[in-house]
Amino acid sequence: DAGVTQSPTHLIKTRGQQVTLRCSPKSGHDTVSWYQQALGQGPQFIFQYYEEEERQRGNFPDRFSGHQFPNYSSELNVNALLLGDSALYLCASSLLGAGGNTEAFFGQGTRLTVV
Amino acid sequence: KNEVEQSPQNLTAQEGEFITINCSYSVGISALHWLQQHPGGGIVSLFMLSSGKKKHGRLIATINIQEKHSSLHITASHPRDSAVYICAVTFSWGKLQFGAGTQVVVTP
Repeated sequence: DAGVTQSPTHLIKTRGQQVTLRCSPKSGHDTVSWYQQALGQGPQFIFQYYEEEERQRGNFPDRFSGHQFPNYSSELNVNALLLGDSALYLCASSLLGAGGNTEAFFGQGTRLTVV
Repeated sequence: KNEVEQSPQNLTAQEGEFITINCSYSVGISALHWLQQHPGGGIVSLFMLSSGKKKHGRLIATINIQEKHSSLHITASHPRDSAVYICAVTFSWGKLQFGAGTQVVVTP
């Protein structure tokens, strides 16, 4: 089992550009959540996808959008990149069992640098 | 204000010492997670708790639901335990809210 895989591992983009990050969940998991972790801070919830729909969203602008595919993999898209979008982007997968109480497994993250 | 507070922010211990990290949260939760993050970013789930106590090797996690408090203990600490330890809580539908993390350094 490959666990949660994210690609790419590192990325450098210029202000104003668009970026797409990818996540494959752990085998058997149906829910993908995305988090942004700025340097020295804890991760912040961006949004969560389940059954190919955005189910919950954190306090992030519309420039942040996503998608979940039928195979449960997910993409995070960020438009009009700002310097402040530089961060580690983490994907976590889980199985949305009864009560939504399930252990989350994390990918290694994508380090995005905006210059 | 973060609804998940961790203390201390930083901790340095000598090899062999007992380490405790604390986590408090302000509202009812369905579960609490202790996570470990090494330089480079990858996060590993150590424990998921909804009550009582769990033990895995030298790591012990406890939670007191009434007091909204959890602790992570590392017994006989070792330099390879050096990492950031993060407390996170699940409110609903698996969404995690994270504490700021505790940077642990264990010196030989």
